[in-house]
Amino acid sequence: DVKVTQSSRYLVKRTGEKVFLECVQDMDHENMFWYRQDPGLGLRLIYFSYDVKMKEKGDIPEGYSVSREKKERFSLILESASTNQTSMYLCASSPQDSSGELFFGEGSRLTVL
Amino acid sequence: GENVEQHPSTLSVQEGDSAVIKCTYSDSASNYFPWYKQELGKRPQLIIDIRSNVGEKKDQRIAVTLNKTAKHFSLHITETQPEDSAVYFCAAIPVGGGYNKLIFGAGTRLAVHP
Repeated sequence: DVKVTQSSRYLVKRTGEKVFLECVQDMDHENMFWYRQDPGLGLRLIYFSYDVKMKEKGDIPEGYSVSREKKERFSLILESASTNQTSMYLCASSPQDSSGELFFGEGSRLTVL
Repeated sequence: GENVEQHPSTLSVQEGDSAVIKCTYSDSASNYFPWYKQELGKRPQLIIDIRSNVGEKKDQRIAVTLNKTAKHFSLHITETQPEDSAVYFCAAIPVGGGYNKLIFGAGTRLAVHP
């Protein structure tokens, strides 16, 4: 069974704080993704990575950065959290083949006060 | 870029009825269309998918149809059960969207009432 683990299920941070969201997958997948989920907006892609140290912007990268130093780990960084970044963050991974299936983590619900 | 629109945003049915969720996409070159189910408090999980060389695919009580000409695809759930209650997301992979970079619809919250 593929396992994608997000380190924190719930976080509460203050405006201006630096926030790290960690994601680890155990299936040796090449591709990893960070999505943001908001009611009525679905899942929107923030960043993705197709290899170690490689990253590409998704549809809403502003205010976020990512790090992929090891194949199994993909981190999302909010350099200076703002209230409009209060959301559910979902990490996902997939193998390099073209099957298309994404395997999601349980999500990290971030509240910025 | 690719845009995926999903309707309705909420759907309420009686147990045993059918449910249909529709999605339209903008990029005619998109060739992969999955559906994900997200139960309350759980992660989204793939339930069925279809590729552009196929018009319909079935898996027990769920089916997906694809109309490439009209650029829309639909999820059909027959004989609905309370455990079908969830949020359903459609998605597509746009041109140049390798690496399984999915673009999702806004989601449909399905409620099945006993």
